[in-house]
Amino acid sequence: AQKITQTQPGMFVQEKEAVTLDCTYDTSDQSYGLFWYKQPSSGEMIFLIYQGSYDEQNATEGRYSLNFQKARKSANLVISASQLGDSAMYFCAMRVHTGGFKTIFGAGTRLFVKA
Amino acid sequence: NAGVTQTPKFRILKIGQSMTLQCTQDMNHNYMYWYRQDPGMGLKLIYYSVGAGITDKGEVPNGYNVSRSTTEDFPLRLELAAPSQTSVYFCASSYPYSTHEQFFGPGTRLTVL
Repeated sequence: AQKITQTQPGMFVQEKEAVTLDCTYDTSDQSYGLFWYKQPSSGEMIFLIYQGSYDEQNATEGRYSLNFQKARKSANLVISASQLGDSAMYFCAMRVHTGGFKTIFGAGTRLFVKA
Repeated sequence: NAGVTQTPKFRILKIGQSMTLQCTQDMNHNYMYWYRQDPGMGLKLIYYSVGAGITDKGEVPNGYNVSRSTTEDFPLRLELAAPSQTSVYFCASSYPYSTHEQFFGPGTRLTVL
């Protein structure tokens, strides 16, 4: 069964510090994509970063990086130098070929950045 | 490009009423999806479509219907609305590869009273 698990319902981080949001996944597919989305209080879904299952290097996008450990089936999001605007809900998601490239979402982690 | 647009933004329905949530994308994406997001939860897939004329059920299809007559449009129909369908509904579209992210519409907030 395909599954995404985010075990941290809420996280606090001090402004300018780094924070890691955890994500583990389960799939029997060999080819899959892992994504992180941000959902601010306004409600829209914003794509942050992508990691492919065959990518050997961890993905980076500005202050976002994805710590991909394939053997452990984890895809943690690291946000460096947190900003107040980073306060939001963060969703880890997995896209697999099986079943028509459906995307499975985790329950999310709410991040609070303190001034 | 407008991306993915959804109408209406908000709607209140009475129990038993029906309505159609509209979704349109202008990126020529083959794949389109409907999700619902209950308060404090992640997104659950209702229906998806891999192209015009082809649709399939997702995780929570009961109480909903879809159609895909064009590449651009993917409406979601609610028949006999129930309070359990109170949620935020997101439409999304993408290219058909696991390497491509989904593009989301702004969402429709539906309340059934």
